[in-house]
This record gives sequence, C-alpha cells and structure tokens, in this order.
Amino acid sequence: GQQLNQSPQSMFIQEGEDVSMNCTSSSIFNTWLWYKQEPGEGPVLLIALYKAGELTSNGRLTAQFGITRKDSFLNISASIPSDVGIYFCAGPTSSGTDKLIFGTGTRLQVFP
Amino acid sequence: NAGVTQTPKFQVLKTGQSMTLQCAQDMNHNSMYWYRQDPGMGLRLIYYSASEGTTDKGEVPNGYNVSRLNKREFSLRLESAAPSQTSVYFCASSRDRGLSPLHFGNGTRLTVT
Repeated sequence: GQQLNQSPQSMFIQEGEDVSMNCTSSSIFNTWLWYKQEPGEGPVLLIALYKAGELTSNGRLTAQFGITRKDSFLNISASIPSDVGIYFCAGPTSSGTDKLIFGTGTRLQVFP
Repeated sequence: NAGVTQTPKFQVLKTGQSMTLQCAQDMNHNSMYWYRQDPGMGLRLIYYSASEGTTDKGEVPNGYNVSRLNKREFSLRLESAAPSQTSVYFCASSRDRGLSPLHFGNGTRLTVT
C-alpha cells in the first residue's frame, strides 16, 4: 500500500539553527500537507501544497511540493524552543481524498 | 470554542473488556475521523464519517466499531480490547469531505493489559 517515509526520524538542534526535513513516497501525490504535533496535543495543520513545484511559506516555515510529486520538503528557519514537536507530512490516499495517509513523523528537539 | 473534545483522556483496560471513546465537535463540521497513533508509525485511520449517517472503514478498522450519533458526535467502540489496541487515539473533524483541514482533539491514551 501507499507509504510516506519521513527523514530524519528525529533531530536535536540548537536554538537559532535552520531545520530541513523531507517526506518521500513511491506513489504520486496531488496534495501534500504538513502538520505539527506538540506534546500532549493533536496535530495542527501548518501548510498545504496543491501543485508540483509549489513553494509556500507560513512565517519561518517553508514547504515545497517536489517536482516528481513523490516528495515534499519542510524547512524551518532560525528555530526557537516552541518549534519542538513532531512534524508529519500527509496526503490523500489513492482511494480518494476522504482518507489521509500520514508519514512516520520527524521529532524535533530544540535546545536553548 | 472547544473545537474537538475527546473523553476520556486516559484509560486502562484488561484484555477482553469493552469501552467506548467519545468525541464531539462544536464547529458544525460534516466529516469526522478516528485515528490511532503508534510510535514510529504516524497516524493511521481507523474509521471515518463523511457526513451524518454514514461511516466507512479506514486503514485499520479490525477490532473497532463506530457510531455517528449526530452531526456533533462520533464514538469509537472496542468490543473486546486486545493488547495490540494499546495506542493513543485521536478524533478529528473537517468542514467537508476531501481536503478541508483536519482539526484534531487532544487524544485518548489507552493501555490494554
């Protein structure tokens, strides 16, 4: 079945550093979504991408829809302690847009 | 605005016991979902309800049943809990079918011994 693989699995960085993570699949996706989950809470949508090659920003976050449509990237610039959490990519399954498939997540830890 | 409210927050069950996880949303959303989250596996869809009165299976429906009681409420039932159902369960809602943003509750942490 469809799978979304995220890397790295976890990151430990210093406050102020930039962060890059990616999400890849063996299948083509028409939409990529990036969610963030803070400890003890449910995920929250950060960015949605709808077109191959699209680059979209939300504050210090920038996400890109890969040209091959099989990958997506999320960058965080000048990280701060509140960036801590798990970042998930997600996309609609081939069976329809009612169902989202989520990636395995990248856990980010930021040290002051 | 409460958003999506899940109860209980924590639960411990013995193998074979049953329980119902409750979820309610106050955003007048049409679609509701149940996911489970396990370490290293992301979130996997158990069941969803595209609109009041309809339910459909997700990726991992075995061992679960759901009820869309009304537009606000979507419950998840474990008839005979198994240790493999130890997980964190998230309810979510979205305005419409398709790719409307999902709004998640804060989860129910379930342990089955």
